[in-house]
Amino acid sequence: DTGVSQNPRHKITKRGQNVTFRCDPISEHNRLYWYRQTLGQGPEFLTYFQNEAQLEKSRLLSDRFSAERPKGSFSTLEIQRTEQGDSAMYLCASSAGQGVETQYFGPGTRLLVL
Amino acid sequence: SQKIEQNSEALNIQEGKTATLTCNYTNYSPAYLQWYRQDPGRGPVFLLLIRENEKEKRKERLKVTFDTTLKQSLFHITASQPADSATYLCALETAGNKLTFGGGTRVLVKP
Repeated sequence: DTGVSQNPRHKITKRGQNVTFRCDPISEHNRLYWYRQTLGQGPEFLTYFQNEAQLEKSRLLSDRFSAERPKGSFSTLEIQRTEQGDSAMYLCASSAGQGVETQYFGPGTRLLVL
Repeated sequence: SQKIEQNSEALNIQEGKTATLTCNYTNYSPAYLQWYRQDPGRGPVFLLLIRENEKEKRKERLKVTFDTTLKQSLFHITASQPADSATYLCALETAGNKLTFGGGTRVLVKP
């Protein structure tokens, strides 16, 4: 299967700890997106990359959040000093980056901050 | 303010009937609109895309309409099956190829 993969699938951490999630997009997809989804809501945009360049960040992305895509392939999303309000599903998606876009989502990483 | 609204109440429907879901938006002028399906604990899966100059799009038992005057899209599942039970999300293209999602509508098809 060459779809979008995310690791870990689940993460439980204590408040104040740092966590890092990884996303491997579909190979040759230029664009990579991060979303956050809470129960009963649709995904909320956090940030996206065109190759290795981070082109946009949502105001939802506080200073405690940082994302990278160093070689234009996989991406990491780090949350520092986690808070209980960070508990959510973190979704990654990728797209080809040409014209009208369909985004292909990974299975998500579910984060629970205790 | 910009809003995308989907019926937050679950839609319960009998197998074989047509399910119709609504997506209304305000203060957007999207070039296209997409519908995704999401199963519990999984990421959304793309179903259909409809452009602003298209009135209707079909794919197998699915049909989407897009009325830019009413700022509304309707999503129909005909001859519904229990396997169609899921949450359905509409998403608008906004600036920079970004997708903005509605809250989703859960559909439950009863045999």
